[in-house]
Amino acid sequence: QKEVEQDPGPLSVPEGAIVSLNCTYSNSAFQYFMWYRQYSRKGPELLMYTYSSGNKEDGRFTAQVDKSSKYISLFIRDSQPSDSATYLCAMKLDTGRRALTFGSGTRLQVQP
Amino acid sequence: DTEVTQTPKHLVMGMTNKKSLKCEQHMGHRAMYWYKQKAKKPPELMFVYSYEKLSINESVPSRFSPECPNSSLLNLHLHALQPEDSALYLCASSLGGIQETQYFGPGTRLLVL
Repeated sequence: QKEVEQDPGPLSVPEGAIVSLNCTYSNSAFQYFMWYRQYSRKGPELLMYTYSSGNKEDGRFTAQVDKSSKYISLFIRDSQPSDSATYLCAMKLDTGRRALTFGSGTRLQVQP
Repeated sequence: DTEVTQTPKHLVMGMTNKKSLKCEQHMGHRAMYWYKQKAKKPPELMFVYSYEKLSINESVPSRFSPECPNSSLLNLHLHALQPEDSALYLCASSLGGIQETQYFGPGTRLLVL
């Protein structure tokens, strides 16, 4: 079993739809949770960063962490064709080890 | 400014060549990372430098040799690579504390012939 599970997609939605992207994880020691967006042939771009459980909102993006269920989500409101990319969840332990554990990424396509 | 720069953007090399990838950041970050990413896969950690010292080497073959000349620069020296080493090589940096987030560069796309 992978430490972090993420549906690879592709997920295809019409422009303006609300998108829900999710990851589940098995290691309860993860404390820091991130979402990265990666366009084709580019480096990952940090979208959201959350510590422990709770919600965080930034513009059209909302990140949720439910540590009791070991489940994190990224919601995108009013999706745009420019949101078409691969979305990677990543998480980190609350220790000195700096390595991120990534999900496999979900490819999102927003149709105009 | 949250920019990490990498050069070159693209690199084609033969299996007997020696080349280097370069990474630079001017955000005052004290931790720097090399990742390897194959197509449709997540990034895989290769090396971590913390305060210019190598702190993590994820059992990477010796044909990859990292170097951190100063706190702003990170190099990856390549020698006698194999075709399966073709990938996107990503550099990242972070502030240096436990809570820090990692910022990625655009990557160098490497093709080994």
